[in-house]
Amino acid sequence: AQSVAQPEDQVNVAEGNPLTVKCTYSVSGNPYLFWYVQYPNRGLQFLLKYITGDNLVKGSYGFEAEFNKSQTSFHLKKPSALVSDSALYFCAVRDESGGYQKVTFGTGTKLQVIP
Amino acid sequence: ETGVTQSPTHLIKTRGQQVTLRCSSQSGHNTVSWYQQALGQGPQFIFQYYREEENGRGNFPPRFSGLQFPNYSSELNVNALELDDSALYLCASSRGPDYEQYFGPGTRLTVT
Repeated sequence: AQSVAQPEDQVNVAEGNPLTVKCTYSVSGNPYLFWYVQYPNRGLQFLLKYITGDNLVKGSYGFEAEFNKSQTSFHLKKPSALVSDSALYFCAVRDESGGYQKVTFGTGTKLQVIP
Repeated sequence: ETGVTQSPTHLIKTRGQQVTLRCSSQSGHNTVSWYQQALGQGPQFIFQYYREEENGRGNFPPRFSGLQFPNYSSELNVNALELDDSALYLCASSRGPDYEQYFGPGTRLTVT
């Protein structure tokens, strides 16, 4: 069975510092990995995805993520955090078995950027 | 904001009743997924429809059922409502099963 783990419920970082939000996954086949963000009182928004190709994926708002197959990780990163980045971040994995899809989201990590 | 709309915004039902939630997908999208998000939790995958056929399902009982119409809009039906069904129900559309999803604002269901 596939699974996604976000080991940190909350990450605090000072504005201007680099940030990392961690995600590890488990799937039976090749993973399709996604990051989504949920701002207060707003819906989930797509940030970036990894399907194949370069291990470093660039997305919206200056975010990027590094796919590491050996560590089964897909950590979200940003070189310099902004206060406006404060939100809830979800990692998700899509798997397919016999043409049947299943999507699993992590429990979310709350990012707090401190001015 | 995405082009995904959901109705109604809020809904209050009594245990044992049935409910239908609706979703209009973004233009050009042929895939719709439904999720249940309890307070403080990540979205839980209910099922996915691709070109009017169910092509994915999570660990939800058969009383959760759905439809996708020729215009790719979708319905989620829940029968015999239970108190634990109280949650935010999210609809997401995409260009295909392999693509990123665009989420609607959700329907808040309260079962009393």
